[in-house]
Amino acid sequence: DVQMTQSPSSLSASVGDRVTITCQASQGISNSLNWYQQKPGEAPNLLIYGASNLKTGVPSRFRGSGSGTDFTFTISSLQPEDIATYYCQQFDDLPLTFGGGTKVEIK
Amino acid sequence: QVTLKESGPVLVKPTETLTLTCTVSGFSLSNARMGVSWIRQPPGKALEWLAHIFSNDEKSYTTSLKSRLTISKDTSKSQVVLTMINMDPVDTATYYCARNYLVAMDVWGQGTTVTVSS
Repeated sequence: DVQMTQSPSSLSASVGDRVTITCQASQGISNSLNWYQQKPGEAPNLLIYGASNLKTGVPSRFRGSGSGTDFTFTISSLQPEDIATYYCQQFDDLPLTFGGGTKVEIK
Repeated sequence: QVTLKESGPVLVKPTETLTLTCTVSGFSLSNARMGVSWIRQPPGKALEWLAHIFSNDEKSYTTSLKSRLTISKDTSKSQVVLTMINMDPVDTATYYCARNYLVAMDVWGQGTTVTVSS
């Protein structure tokens, strides 16, 4: 199985800050990576698919990049409504697997 | 509008079998580009993908729970069913179903909370 390792597990940043989360795959997965946002008490929501493609309607401050084993998720200017836990998920191989999540809080 | 809704028991006893149903609307389970996954999340923990069923009825399961899970679908009823045998308190979680459109889980249900306790 492909193991997905996210870091950090949590972070605290100020409104307007640039936030970066990394996701590393245990083997090369090309660009077969998605990013999800889960706000407290809600179901997850797809933000980015195929490593860098923004889902329609998702604000442009969210960005994804990377390929192979190393991926990055960036919020260019953190907003109060971005408080959530973010998960990466690979779809290169079955079984599908998620990272452990990164909880983003406002400082 | 695409929606998915999970249903099933709120409480199950240890060793019992859990049966969850995902009722979908706004798309067909026979659409070649679509499938349905089940994902769970224990309280305060990360998401865990459990199983997936494709439009051609092909199935896939997470390795650690493969012996305990069965996924099936009834296209005419627009339902996907997940059964998990031999439930344990560690299986206490919110269980979600989600539509897989091509490569991503693009629409999720609201989730259903299952507690395993005697």
